[in-house]
Amino acid sequence: DAGVIQSPRHEVTEMGQEVTLRCKPISGHDYLFWYRQTMMRGLELLIYFNNNVPIDDSGMPEDRFSAKMPNASFSTLKIQPSEPRDSAVYFCASSPRQGARGETQYFGPGTRLLVL
Amino acid sequence: AQSVAQPEDQVNVAEGNPLTVKCTYSVSGNPYLFWYVQYPNRGLQFLLKYITGDNLVKGSYGFEAEFNKSQTSFHLKKPSALVSDSALYFCAVREGGGADGLTFGKGTHLIIQP
Repeated sequence: DAGVIQSPRHEVTEMGQEVTLRCKPISGHDYLFWYRQTMMRGLELLIYFNNNVPIDDSGMPEDRFSAKMPNASFSTLKIQPSEPRDSAVYFCASSPRQGARGETQYFGPGTRLLVL
Repeated sequence: AQSVAQPEDQVNVAEGNPLTVKCTYSVSGNPYLFWYVQYPNRGLQFLLKYITGDNLVKGSYGFEAEFNKSQTSFHLKKPSALVSDSALYFCAVREGGGADGLTFGKGTHLIIQP
Protein backbone atom coordinates (compact mmCIF):
# COMPACT_ATOMS: atom_id res chain seq x y z
CA ASP A 1 0.00 0.00 0.00
CA ALA A 2 1.27 3.47 -0.87
CA GLY A 3 0.11 4.95 2.40
CA VAL A 4 -1.56 8.33 2.76
CA ILE A 5 -0.60 10.61 -0.11
CA GLN A 6 -0.52 14.38 0.19
CA SER A 7 0.16 17.06 -2.37
CA PRO A 8 1.85 19.37 -2.77
CA ARG A 9 4.67 18.59 -0.35
CA HIS A 10 5.68 22.24 -0.23
CA GLU A 11 3.70 25.36 -1.01
CA VAL A 12 4.86 28.96 -0.96
CA THR A 13 2.25 31.61 -1.61
CA GLU A 14 1.53 35.25 -0.98
CA MET A 15 -0.91 36.59 1.53
CA GLY A 16 -4.42 36.77 0.12
CA GLN A 17 -4.01 33.90 -2.31
CA GLU A 18 -6.11 30.75 -2.25
CA VAL A 19 -4.34 27.57 -1.18
CA THR A 20 -5.63 24.04 -1.77
CA LEU A 21 -4.08 21.03 -0.06
CA ARG A 22 -4.91 17.53 -1.23
CA CYS A 23 -5.04 14.14 0.40
CA LYS A 24 -5.60 10.58 -0.76
CA PRO A 25 -6.27 8.24 2.17
CA ILE A 26 -5.33 4.59 2.39
CA SER A 27 -7.76 2.52 0.37
CA GLY A 28 -10.52 1.03 2.51
CA HIS A 29 -10.12 3.46 5.39
CA ASP A 30 -13.37 5.03 6.52
CA TYR A 31 -11.96 7.93 8.51
CA LEU A 32 -9.93 10.90 7.31
CA PHE A 33 -8.38 13.53 9.55
CA TRP A 34 -6.71 16.89 8.89
CA TYR A 35 -4.15 18.13 11.44
CA ARG A 36 -1.98 21.25 11.58
CA GLN A 37 1.48 21.40 13.18
CA THR A 38 3.07 24.66 14.32
CA MET A 39 5.86 25.43 16.73
CA MET A 40 3.57 27.44 18.98
CA ARG A 41 0.54 25.15 19.13
CA GLY A 42 1.95 21.74 18.28
CA LEU A 43 -0.34 19.26 16.50
CA GLU A 44 -3.98 20.24 16.34
CA LEU A 45 -6.97 18.43 14.86
CA LEU A 46 -8.76 20.64 12.35
CA ILE A 47 -11.55 18.42 11.02
CA TYR A 48 -12.36 14.79 10.39
CA PHE A 49 -14.64 12.81 8.11
CA ASN A 50 -16.35 9.45 8.43
CA ASN A 51 -17.47 7.87 5.15
CA ASN A 52 -16.96 11.21 3.40
CA VAL A 53 -19.18 13.10 5.86
CA PRO A 54 -17.66 15.82 8.08
CA ILE A 55 -18.14 14.81 11.70
CA ASP A 56 -16.31 17.43 13.73
CA ASP A 57 -14.96 20.70 12.34
CA SER A 58 -14.62 22.46 15.68
CA GLY A 59 -10.87 22.71 15.19
CA MET A 60 -11.10 24.71 11.97
CA PRO A 61 -9.63 28.06 12.97
CA GLU A 62 -11.96 30.35 11.05
CA ASP A 63 -14.19 30.69 8.03
CA ARG A 64 -11.22 31.10 5.74
CA PHE A 65 -10.66 27.36 6.14
CA SER A 66 -12.85 24.77 4.45
CA ALA A 67 -12.54 21.05 3.81
CA LYS A 68 -14.33 18.66 1.52
CA MET A 69 -14.33 14.96 0.82
CA PRO A 70 -16.18 14.37 -2.46
CA ASN A 71 -15.40 10.66 -2.49
CA ALA A 72 -13.69 7.96 -0.45
CA SER A 73 -10.31 8.49 -2.09
CA PHE A 74 -9.90 12.25 -2.06
CA SER A 75 -10.09 15.20 0.29
CA THR A 76 -9.12 18.86 0.08
CA LEU A 77 -8.34 21.51 2.64
CA LYS A 78 -8.72 25.02 1.29
CA ILE A 79 -7.60 28.34 2.75
CA GLN A 80 -9.05 31.45 1.18
CA PRO A 81 -7.66 34.03 1.62
CA SER A 82 -4.40 32.83 3.12
CA GLU A 83 -2.54 34.76 5.81
CA PRO A 84 1.04 34.53 7.12
CA ARG A 85 -0.20 32.99 10.38
CA ASP A 86 -1.49 30.01 8.38
CA SER A 87 2.10 28.95 7.75
CA ALA A 88 2.43 25.45 9.17
CA VAL A 89 2.73 21.81 8.24
CA TYR A 90 -0.64 20.28 7.41
CA PHE A 91 -1.03 16.55 7.87
CA CYS A 92 -3.70 14.24 6.58
CA ALA A 93 -4.31 10.92 8.34
CA SER A 94 -6.65 8.01 7.76
CA SER A 95 -7.84 5.05 9.78
CA PRO A 96 -10.06 2.02 9.38
CA ARG A 97 -13.46 1.71 10.95
CA GLN A 98 -13.40 2.90 14.54
CA GLY A 99 -15.36 -0.08 15.78
CA ALA A 100 -13.31 -0.38 18.93
CA ARG A 101 -12.32 3.28 18.87
CA GLY A 102 -8.76 2.15 19.08
CA GLU A 103 -7.90 2.03 15.41
CA THR A 104 -4.55 3.51 14.46
CA GLN A 105 -4.37 6.68 12.43
CA TYR A 106 -1.79 6.61 9.64
CA PHE A 107 -0.28 9.92 8.65
CA GLY A 108 0.79 11.30 5.32
CA PRO A 109 4.11 13.10 4.82
CA GLY A 110 2.50 16.51 5.25
CA THR A 111 2.33 19.72 3.25
CA ARG A 112 4.66 22.48 4.39
CA LEU A 113 2.87 25.77 3.75
CA LEU A 114 4.57 29.14 3.83
CA VAL A 115 2.46 32.26 3.36
CA LEU A 116 4.50 35.39 2.69
CA ALA B 1 -11.60 17.77 27.81
CA GLN B 2 -8.68 15.48 27.18
CA SER B 3 -5.05 16.52 27.38
CA VAL B 4 -1.54 15.12 27.18
CA ALA B 5 1.60 16.38 28.88
CA GLN B 6 5.13 15.58 27.82
CA PRO B 7 7.14 17.28 30.56
CA GLU B 8 10.51 17.14 28.81
CA ASP B 9 11.24 19.14 25.68
CA GLN B 10 14.43 17.15 25.15
CA VAL B 11 15.93 13.93 26.44
CA ASN B 12 19.60 13.10 25.96
CA VAL B 13 20.78 9.51 26.22
CA ALA B 14 24.06 7.81 25.43
CA GLU B 15 23.94 5.08 22.81
CA GLY B 16 23.41 1.68 24.39
CA ASN B 17 21.78 3.07 27.52
CA PRO B 18 18.09 2.64 28.32
CA LEU B 19 15.80 5.50 27.42
CA THR B 20 12.50 6.79 28.79
CA VAL B 21 10.26 9.45 27.29
CA LYS B 22 7.56 10.56 29.70
CA CYS B 23 3.87 11.10 29.02
CA THR B 24 0.92 11.78 31.30
CA TYR B 25 -2.67 12.18 30.21
CA SER B 26 -6.06 13.39 31.32
CA VAL B 27 -9.38 12.03 30.04
CA SER B 28 -12.83 11.62 31.50
CA GLY B 29 -13.29 8.00 30.50
CA ASN B 30 -11.07 5.15 29.42
CA PRO B 31 -7.96 6.30 27.58
CA TYR B 32 -6.70 5.02 24.27
CA LEU B 33 -3.02 5.97 24.17
CA PHE B 34 -0.60 6.18 21.27
CA TRP B 35 3.05 6.94 20.59
CA TYR B 36 4.23 8.34 17.27
CA VAL B 37 7.71 9.26 16.04
CA GLN B 38 8.55 12.04 13.59
CA TYR B 39 11.83 12.25 11.71
CA PRO B 40 12.90 15.58 10.17
CA ASN B 41 10.68 16.67 7.30
CA ARG B 42 8.65 13.49 7.53
CA GLY B 43 5.17 12.54 8.67
CA LEU B 44 4.30 10.82 11.91
CA GLN B 45 5.00 7.11 12.15
CA PHE B 46 2.99 4.93 14.49
CA LEU B 47 5.02 3.14 17.17
CA LEU B 48 2.55 1.51 19.54
CA LYS B 49 -0.77 1.87 21.30
CA TYR B 50 -2.63 0.87 24.43
CA ILE B 51 -6.32 0.12 24.18
CA THR B 52 -6.96 -2.52 26.80
CA GLY B 53 -5.34 -5.60 28.28
CA ASP B 54 -1.71 -5.88 29.35
CA ASN B 55 -0.28 -2.69 30.74
CA LEU B 56 3.04 -3.29 28.97
CA VAL B 57 2.73 -2.71 25.25
CA LYS B 58 5.42 -3.63 22.75
CA GLY B 59 5.78 -1.80 19.47
CA SER B 60 8.02 -1.12 16.52
CA TYR B 61 11.83 -0.80 16.58
CA GLY B 62 12.15 -2.33 20.04
CA PHE B 63 10.10 0.31 21.80
CA GLU B 64 7.64 -0.44 24.56
CA ALA B 65 5.38 1.57 26.83
CA GLU B 66 3.78 0.96 30.18
CA PHE B 67 0.26 2.08 30.97
CA ASN B 68 -0.15 3.14 34.58
CA LYS B 69 -3.73 4.02 35.40
CA SER B 70 -3.11 5.25 38.93
CA GLN B 71 -0.42 7.65 37.76
CA THR B 72 -2.21 8.41 34.46
CA SER B 73 1.04 7.82 32.64
CA PHE B 74 2.16 6.08 29.47
CA HIS B 75 5.95 6.36 29.35
CA LEU B 76 7.84 5.19 26.28
CA LYS B 77 10.89 3.01 26.89
CA LYS B 78 13.65 1.15 25.12
CA PRO B 79 16.28 -1.02 26.81
CA SER B 80 19.19 0.03 24.58
CA ALA B 81 19.15 3.26 22.58
CA LEU B 82 20.46 3.60 19.03
CA VAL B 83 21.68 6.78 17.38
CA SER B 84 19.00 6.21 14.75
CA ASP B 85 16.34 6.58 17.48
CA SER B 86 17.05 10.32 17.54
CA ALA B 87 13.79 11.99 16.53
CA LEU B 88 10.73 13.84 17.82
CA TYR B 89 8.32 11.67 19.80
CA PHE B 90 4.65 12.40 20.35
CA CYS B 91 2.27 10.92 22.86
CA ALA B 92 -1.44 11.10 21.98
CA VAL B 93 -4.71 10.21 23.65
CA ARG B 94 -8.28 9.56 22.62
CA GLU B 95 -11.09 8.98 25.03
CA GLY B 96 -12.89 5.70 24.66
CA GLY B 97 -16.45 6.51 23.66
CA GLY B 98 -15.49 10.07 22.87
CA ALA B 99 -14.58 11.91 19.70
CA ASP B 100 -12.30 10.20 17.23
CA GLY B 101 -9.57 12.79 16.84
CA LEU B 102 -6.29 12.46 18.69
CA THR B 103 -5.03 14.99 21.22
CA PHE B 104 -1.25 15.23 21.05
CA GLY B 105 1.39 16.28 23.51
CA LYS B 106 3.91 18.96 22.53
CA GLY B 107 6.51 16.37 21.63
CA THR B 108 9.88 15.39 23.09
CA HIS B 109 13.12 15.59 21.17
CA LEU B 110 15.13 12.45 21.81
CA ILE B 111 18.85 12.80 21.17
CA ILE B 112 21.02 9.71 21.29
CA GLN B 113 24.69 10.50 21.61
CA PRO B 114 27.27 8.12 20.13
